[in-house]
Parts: sequence; structure tokens; C-alpha cells
Amino acid sequence: DAGVIQSPRHEVTEMGQEVTLRCKPISGHDYLFWYRQTMMRGLELLIYFNNNVPIDDSGMPEDRFSAKMPNASFSTLKIQPSEPRDSAVYFCASSSGGGMRGYTFGSGTRLTVV
Amino acid sequence: AQSVSQHNHHVILSEAASLELGCNYSYGGTVNLFWYVQYPGQHLQLLLKYFSGDPLVKGIKGFEAEFIKSKFSFNLRKPSVQWSDTAEYFCAVNANTGRRALTFGSGTRLQVQP
Repeated sequence: DAGVIQSPRHEVTEMGQEVTLRCKPISGHDYLFWYRQTMMRGLELLIYFNNNVPIDDSGMPEDRFSAKMPNASFSTLKIQPSEPRDSAVYFCASSSGGGMRGYTFGSGTRLTVV
Repeated sequence: AQSVSQHNHHVILSEAASLELGCNYSYGGTVNLFWYVQYPGQHLQLLLKYFSGDPLVKGIKGFEAEFIKSKFSFNLRKPSVQWSDTAEYFCAVNANTGRRALTFGSGTRLQVQP
């Protein structure tokens, strides 16, 4: 079991550029979650999917953020255009049955927007 | 809405000291409770979880937590900490409301001095 795989590990981009973060959940998991971690706000839920369908996107900051899950083994989080305040660590997590039994987290993508 | 409070933001201990980190949640119904640990530069890993039954839960690396329903608390304990326990600790809750995402506390940074 390779765990939840995120790419890239680090991303440095200029303000205004499009950024795409990627996540491969654990095979067989039916829930996928995107979180953002900052010093100021801690861990914030951005969006989560169940069987590839977005269930709750109320945490997505604004229209510049979008997430997709085209199939059970892949999800993307896109920021367009990026801003310095988007700098954070973005974690993907997956689970079987949702948060009721906990998650397995990926290693995260550290995004720096300059 | 459910919320989680971790009142200790930064704790400094010497090796072999005992540890107790506080966690309180704000939902009155049935909950599932978790503690995660994040070592420097790494992703979150599950330490222990409570679903039902014995309110004293034992996890990995000698950690345990006690669920006290009347106090809405789920405090994390370890009798004797080691330098390698230096990390950030997050409490999380999932209330059985149908929403399948975890809500995390703001975290407690533990620093163990050799």
C-alpha cells in the first residue's frame, strides 16, 4: 500500500499563475478530502468527495479555487490566479467510509506564491 | 456546527516528564474522536481513535486518551515523554450528523528537551 500520494511536494510560483496540485488516494477508499494548513488558521477543510462526487465545498475560499475528481484514483486542486495569501501546505487525505473512521493523509504540497 | 478546542498551544517538557494535552469539543451527540501527530516537516499520522466502548483508548508509541462525555473532553496522555515525541498534536472530531469530514483543533506544539 503506497498510501496517499501527492505531487508536487513543493511548488513555488509567481502571483497570478495557475497552480495545480494532485492527489492519488488509497485504492478502495471512497472519500477524498482536501485540507489547507497555515500557521494562522490551522487545518481547514476545503472540499471533500464521496465516490468522485463533491459533497461539501463550503470551505473553498473563493472562485479562484476549484477541485475535481475525474475518477476514483485521481483528484486535482487548482488555484487560478494564485495570490501570496494562498501560500500554505495543502494536504490530501482519503478514507473508507468518511471521517467516521479517520483518514490517511498524504505528505502534502508546500505552496509558496511570490 | 462542531468545533474543537485545544487550549495548550505550546508545551515544553523535559524528557521523562508526564504529558497531558487538553481537547474539548462542542457537539452534544454521538462523536468519533481522534488524535493525530505531525512530526516536523511530515504529514499527519493517526495516534489513536475513539468510537465507542471503553473510554480509555490506547494508541501507538505509549499514548492514551480518555473520553469524558460529561466534560466533552478527550485528553491525550503519556506517562513519560521522549525527545522523539517533539511534534504537533491535533485533536479531531467527527459528529454523527451525516457530514463525513473531520474537524480539527488548532494543534498543540510539544517540545521535549533532552
